[in-house]
Amino acid sequence: NAGVTQTPKFRVLKTGQSMTLLCAQDMNHEYMYWYRQDPGMGLRLIHYSVGEGTTAKGEVPDGYNVSRLKKQNFLLGLESAAPSQTSVYFCASSEHYGADGYTFGSGTRLTVV
Amino acid sequence: KQEVTQIPAALSVPEGENLVLNCSFTDSAIYNLQWFRQDPGKGLTSLLLIQSSQREQTSGRLNASLDKSSGRSTLYIAASQPGDSATYLCAVPDAGNMLTFGGGTRLMVKP
Repeated sequence: NAGVTQTPKFRVLKTGQSMTLLCAQDMNHEYMYWYRQDPGMGLRLIHYSVGEGTTAKGEVPDGYNVSRLKKQNFLLGLESAAPSQTSVYFCASSEHYGADGYTFGSGTRLTVV
Repeated sequence: KQEVTQIPAALSVPEGENLVLNCSFTDSAIYNLQWFRQDPGKGLTSLLLIQSSQREQTSGRLNASLDKSSGRSTLYIAASQPGDSATYLCAVPDAGNMLTFGGGTRLMVKP
């Protein structure tokens, strides 16, 4: 099925370790986004991309980096994980004000101990 | 800055009831509004997308309406079922197409 695929689905990291979350979409969408969801905080935008080779900061970018080398992929990196980054991470994609709206991945549950 | 509010925050109803979830937004200059469903521990599933030129959209037992001038949208669920139990989120894009989400309505439909 067409959509947004996130890997991995679950991960446990030790404080200070690094990792990369991968997001892939097969809908040829220009826009891609990384959100985190925390209890009581709702969904907050970390970084986003409006096209291949572009990235921009969202509401809570600190401690994260992103790359969009290919249109279909959007990577979220944690260079030195902290317990405050324990969260559920969602990737999404969209056209710019397109008729399809946003499509979300199934999420990555990350725990930093 | 756009603010999106959903009322009620939680709702518990017996099976078979028709129910209405409310979403309000402060900036009426929106391009569209999207309703999502989120099951516990799962991702967001898009239910309905209403473009600014539309007044409502229907999908099965779901009907969403949009009144831009009053800054409101409603999600109507007919003949609710236990399988409808989930959190329902509405969201609107800002000028840069970044979504602002409401806090969600947590729905429980009891058999």
